[in-house]
Amino acid sequence: EAQVTQNPRYLITVTGKKLTVTCSQNMNHEYMSWYRQDPGLGLRQIYYSMNVEVTDKGDVPEGYKVSRKEKRNFPLILESPSPNQTSLYFCASQSLAKNIQYFGAGTRLSVL
Amino acid sequence: GENVEQHPSTLSVQEGDSAVIKCTYSDSASNYFPWYKQELGKRPQLIIDIRSNVGEKKDQRIAVTLNKTAKHFSLHITETQPEDSAVYFCAASILTGGGNKLTFGTGTQLKVEL
Repeated sequence: EAQVTQNPRYLITVTGKKLTVTCSQNMNHEYMSWYRQDPGLGLRQIYYSMNVEVTDKGDVPEGYKVSRKEKRNFPLILESPSPNQTSLYFCASQSLAKNIQYFGAGTRLSVL
Repeated sequence: GENVEQHPSTLSVQEGDSAVIKCTYSDSASNYFPWYKQELGKRPQLIIDIRSNVGEKKDQRIAVTLNKTAKHFSLHITETQPEDSAVYFCAASILTGGGNKLTFGTGTQLKVEL
């Protein structure tokens, strides 16, 4: 079954404690992306990657890091989380041959 | 960069009525306009999309129209049903060989009342 898998689905942490949200896709997609969703703001892109070792900033990259060492994985790293990073995060992937972005189930993060 | 505005933020219709959601975009280079539906607690899912070389596209009860000159596009849902209740997001992007950088609208909460 084609899917984008995020882990964990829910996470509560404290300010300053480094965390990683993993994202994996089994569709051999070249393009992967991270979004955050906040009430009234829609989905905003954090970082994206067009292929292995190729990443670039989206609209709200501050406070986040990513890496793309393997085609299937695109982890989101928060080196020093702050309360304003409390949000719902979605990973997405897309084949360059098609326009459709497939979203993961989301990770709800609370930073206290 | 691209800016997408979406209206209304909430929309309530009676079952069987039509619903229309409108979006405007700022970057005239944008050429791909998808619409996503997000049910409560679920992930966004693509329901329909349109490219800039097409003015209208229809899929059963859902249609999208695009006016490139005015830089706006709309989602039309006819014969609404309770299962259409969800948040709908429009988006705009420039199709390149490197994937879509989607800029989303802020969403419309559609409620279909019995």
